[in-house]
Amino acid sequence: AIQLTQSPSSLSTSVGDRVTMTCRASLGISSALAWYQQKPGKPPKLLIYDASSLESGVPSRFTGSGSGTDFTLTITSLQPEDFATYYCQQFNSYPITFGQGTRLEIK
Amino acid sequence: EVQLVESGGGVIRPGGSLRLSCAASGFTFDDYGMSWVRQAPGKGLEWVSGINWNGGSAGYADSVKGRFTISRDNAQNSLYLQMNSLRAEDTALYHCARGKGAGGHYYYAMDAWGQGTTVTVSS
Repeated sequence: AIQLTQSPSSLSTSVGDRVTMTCRASLGISSALAWYQQKPGKPPKLLIYDASSLESGVPSRFTGSGSGTDFTLTITSLQPEDFATYYCQQFNSYPITFGQGTRLEIK
Repeated sequence: EVQLVESGGGVIRPGGSLRLSCAASGFTFDDYGMSWVRQAPGKGLEWVSGINWNGGSAGYADSVKGRFTISRDNAQNSLYLQMNSLRAEDTALYHCARGKGAGGHYYYAMDAWGQGTTVTVSS
C-alpha cells in the first residue's frame, strides 16, 4: 500500500498567517491526491481534488499543488474557522490511503 | 441537498457481526461510487471499502478483507457494510462517503460524507 506522510504533525499558527503543509507519497501517484479538512465532531470536508482543483464552495485561500510524490496544501491568510486537522488521501493505487493528518492550532 | 445518514452501529462482543446502513438522498444514487471510511477514537481516517455505481466492482482494506462485505441497493438508495468476526481494533466511527463525480467509481476523492455511526467491539 502507498504510504502518505504528512508534515508537520501539528502546527501552531495565528489568524492571518500563511500556512503550508506537505504530503509525501511512498510511490508516485501522479495527481491522484485529495485534501480534506476535519473539525472535531464533524466528518471530513473535501477541499482539493486532483492535487490542485478547488472543490466548489471552498474559499480560494486554499491552494493545492504537486504531483508524483510531493504535494502541498497552502492556506493564505488563516481565518479562525481554518483551525482544524487536515488529511491528504491518494486514489491512484489500491487500496485508498490517507495521511496521518496535520493539526492546525491557534498560537 | 445531498444527505448521507448512517445507522446500525452499536456495542458488540468480539467475534460478533453487525450490518451498517447508509441512506442516501438529494442526488442520483446510482450515478456514484460509494465508500466506507472509519476513524478510531482519537485517530486518523482509514478507508475500509468501496463499491462502484452498480455493485459490479468492490474493494477492501487488507485489515477487513474476508470479514467485511460492502453492498448497495440502488432501488432503495442505500449502502451497506456487513461486518463479521469483529475485533477490538474495528472499534471506530464509520462514515459512508460519496465518490466525487458521476463516473460511478469509488476510486476517487470523496465529496459528501455522513456524520457516521459508532461501532464498539468490546467484551
